[in-house]
Amino acid sequence: KAGVTQTPRYLIKTRGQQVTLSCSPISGHRSVSWYQQTPGQGLQFLFEYFSETQRNKGNFPGRFSGRQFSNSRSEMNVSTLELGDSALYLCASRWGSSYNEQFFGPGTRLTVL
Amino acid sequence: EDQVTQSPEALRLQEGESSSLNCSYTVSGLRGLFWYRQDPGKGPEFLFTLYSAGEEKEKERLKATLTKKESFLHITAPKPEDSATYLCAVQYGSRLTFGEGTQLTVNP
Repeated sequence: KAGVTQTPRYLIKTRGQQVTLSCSPISGHRSVSWYQQTPGQGLQFLFEYFSETQRNKGNFPGRFSGRQFSNSRSEMNVSTLELGDSALYLCASRWGSSYNEQFFGPGTRLTVL
Repeated sequence: EDQVTQSPEALRLQEGESSSLNCSYTVSGLRGLFWYRQDPGKGPEFLFTLYSAGEEKEKERLKATLTKKESFLHITAPKPEDSATYLCAVQYGSRLTFGEGTQLTVNP
């Protein structure tokens, strides 16, 4: 079974630009969560989508948004990029229940100059 | 607010030298505690899920245990390939709250 895939793997943007990251979950998984990982803050929860609906949201500004499609693939968008948005963005999928394990993709490394 | 604290921040072992990593948590209504392994530049790799105090799970040289306030990841006779950052996370609702991780280095 193929794992979680994320594209692109690396991105370089400049301040003020916007970016869209993509995530394809494991086949059959309906829940997709996004996390931001930085050296100073560790892994922080951004949001979760289940069956095309945002089910939970972390403490991030409105510049961070996401969506999920009918095939469970998900995208997240960051508008008006800031230097502090440089991070590894991780996507994780799970089968459905709130209480089972999440499987992570390799991440997208975003650098904002 | 959920809090997860891992210790030590970094641990250096000789090959074959067993040790334990700690994860303490404060959460109202634990819905699961998860251990992950993360190699540099990669996404976390799932290791274990623990749901109730007293539960234990094993995988090769790793054994995870859970009490009402903390979890331990025991590493028996580690090898250099066990070098990685080990993360624990607690689940509240549908979100995971992660600790800062323990960076483990195993020297040959």
